[in-house]
Amino acid sequence: NAGVTQTPKFQVLKTGQSMTLQCAQDMNHEYMSWYRQDPGMGLRLIHYSVGAGITDQGEVPNGYNVSRSTTEDFPLRLLSAAPSQTSVYFCASSYRFLGRRSDTQYFGPGTRLTVL
Amino acid sequence: SQELEQSPQSLIVQEGKNLTINCTSSKTLYGLYWYKQKYGEGLIFLMMLQKGGEEKSHEKITAKLDEKKQQSSLHITASQPSHAGIYLCGADRKEGNQGGKLIFGQGTELSVKP
Repeated sequence: NAGVTQTPKFQVLKTGQSMTLQCAQDMNHEYMSWYRQDPGMGLRLIHYSVGAGITDQGEVPNGYNVSRSTTEDFPLRLLSAAPSQTSVYFCASSYRFLGRRSDTQYFGPGTRLTVL
Repeated sequence: SQELEQSPQSLIVQEGKNLTINCTSSKTLYGLYWYKQKYGEGLIFLMMLQKGGEEKSHEKITAKLDEKKQQSSLHITASQPSHAGIYLCGADRKEGNQGGKLIFGQGTELSVKP
């Protein structure tokens, strides 16, 4: 298994540009999440999904869109990039076990995004 | 202010020394997770605590959960350079692990001097 993969690893955008951060997992996990990590702020949840077709907002959803058309993929879209969205973005997945989310979340390697 | 507050924010210890990192929640804890992140990499799951008074150990790392205080501590015994990294605590905001909403603290950066 490749686990959780994220592309690209690095990206530089200009203010106002849009782009999609890709996240895929090959473990058939039901739960997937997007986080951003900023110095002194830890990880903040942007959006999450508990299954294909189901998404919900996290702590900091503004400026981001998600969709979950398949179990494997959970892309994060930046509609109009702003310098405040400069961050490291992590995607994570976990499986459902006996109706509950597993204790472990599997994290991707991250995408470093800079918005000029 | 964050729902999960970690202290200290950074820590430098001499190799071989013990250390403790704390994580305090401002809301009810349904599950408390500890992760480690090496610089520039993703997070690695360490352990999860669910019940008050629960204590788990993995190699030289021990975590405890005080449900009444809504607090968890991570203790490293006889620290080694391999323990260096960022330690993050995370918490469920829905009972029963049924939600995908896992909230994290701001992290504690640990450096271990050889």
